[in-house]
Amino acid sequence: EAGVAQSPRYKIIEKRQSVAFWCNPISGHATLYWYQQILGQGPKLLIQFQNNGVVDDSQLPKDRFSAERLKGVDSTLKIQPAKLEDSAVYLCASRVPGQKRNGYTFGSGTRLTVV
Amino acid sequence: GQQVMQIPQYQHVQEGEDFTTYCNSSTTLSNIQWYKQRPGGHPVFLIQLVKSGEVKKQKRLTFQFGEAKKNSSLHITATQTTDVGTYFCAGNSGSARQLTFGSGTQLTVLP
Repeated sequence: EAGVAQSPRYKIIEKRQSVAFWCNPISGHATLYWYQQILGQGPKLLIQFQNNGVVDDSQLPKDRFSAERLKGVDSTLKIQPAKLEDSAVYLCASRVPGQKRNGYTFGSGTRLTVV
Repeated sequence: GQQVMQIPQYQHVQEGEDFTTYCNSSTTLSNIQWYKQRPGGHPVFLIQLVKSGEVKKQKRLTFQFGEAKKNSSLHITATQTTDVGTYFCAGNSGSARQLTFGSGTQLTVLP
């Protein structure tokens, strides 16, 4: 089974620039998550999708962050404009909803550095 | 909101020594999951505990869920250098749909 694919692997941008990350979840995984992991901290949920609908975006800074999953498969997360404090690893995860005793499968993440 | 705390933040052990990390939630959890993140890597799912007082073993790793379902622990017996990484607990409460991660315990194993 192929894993969760993310790109790019690394990105360096200047503050106030915009950036986009892409995620392709495991085939058949209807639930998709975007997490932000700041160095030395645990992952923090930004947004959760069920198919192409948003389930939870309560912790997404909507003034600068946006995410979409138009066809219910791959997803993009955008930051515009970026701030220094957005420097972090952005992790995408997926799982089969309702399946008991299975955890999240994470992608390798995109490491964003804002300078 | 739901908070999940983990201690210690860092732990250095000599190879062969045991290691334990503790996880505490501000709210009662419906289940708790444990993940391992190698340096430079991404979190990898280890296990999920659901029942009060549940204990599960994976080779040298023992996972426990507290009776009140508000705390959990991970114990590694006779650590090896391959155990190096950060161990995260992540809790899911009945009212919150999201999985809340602890801050992790970074384990260093000295050869």
